[in-house]
Amino acid sequence: GAVVSQHPSWVICKSGTSVKIECRSLDFQATTMFWYRQFPKQSLMLMATSNEGSKATYEQGVEKDKFLINHASLTLSTLTVTSAHPEDSSFYICSARIGFTEAFFGQGTRLTVV
Amino acid sequence: DQQVKQNSPSLSVQEGRISILNCDYTNSMFDYFLWYKKYPAEGPTFLISISSIKDKNEDGRFTVFLNKSAKHLSLHIVPSQPGDSAVYFCAASVNFGGYQKVTFGIGTKLQVIP
Repeated sequence: GAVVSQHPSWVICKSGTSVKIECRSLDFQATTMFWYRQFPKQSLMLMATSNEGSKATYEQGVEKDKFLINHASLTLSTLTVTSAHPEDSSFYICSARIGFTEAFFGQGTRLTVV
Repeated sequence: DQQVKQNSPSLSVQEGRISILNCDYTNSMFDYFLWYKKYPAEGPTFLISISSIKDKNEDGRFTVFLNKSAKHLSLHIVPSQPGDSAVYFCAASVNFGGYQKVTFGIGTKLQVIP
């Protein structure tokens, strides 16, 4: 099946620094990718929809200046958590779709801000 | 407001028996429903889906049932195998501005006991 690769799988950073997470579709072109966030014992929450060649569409309550999304090509979307703080520590995961609704997810990135 | 609810956080089933995972939803506009399976430290993988115009979809050991009047769907796994032990996410989607917006439940952790 289609593969979505996410990197890094885990990262620890100091408070105030920025972290970039990459999401690649390895064997298909994804014009749209999705970024989710999951807190412990909670569901996956959609943060934003990343559109190739245009600005991302952010969900209500998600700070676009804090979570920068760039979808520079049909196979790569990046999420940059700027000026990270401990409350940004979470599990971030991307997905891309083929066709109607079937989504393929990356492995996820565990971010810990200390 | 939790539009997709999985009220059982965990479920234990003997190997060979049937596993039934339940999901309720509140938004009658949802037109597509999906189940994802997630192992620790991995992204969710698509398992099975069902359109709102159907009431049953079967794929091998996995069957999804949809009861639109009750806004309820369930995933049946029979026979259950130890390798089925994972977290199962119920998801529902609706067309939102040209793409399918997917809402996830909180997940149910299934443990299949050998």
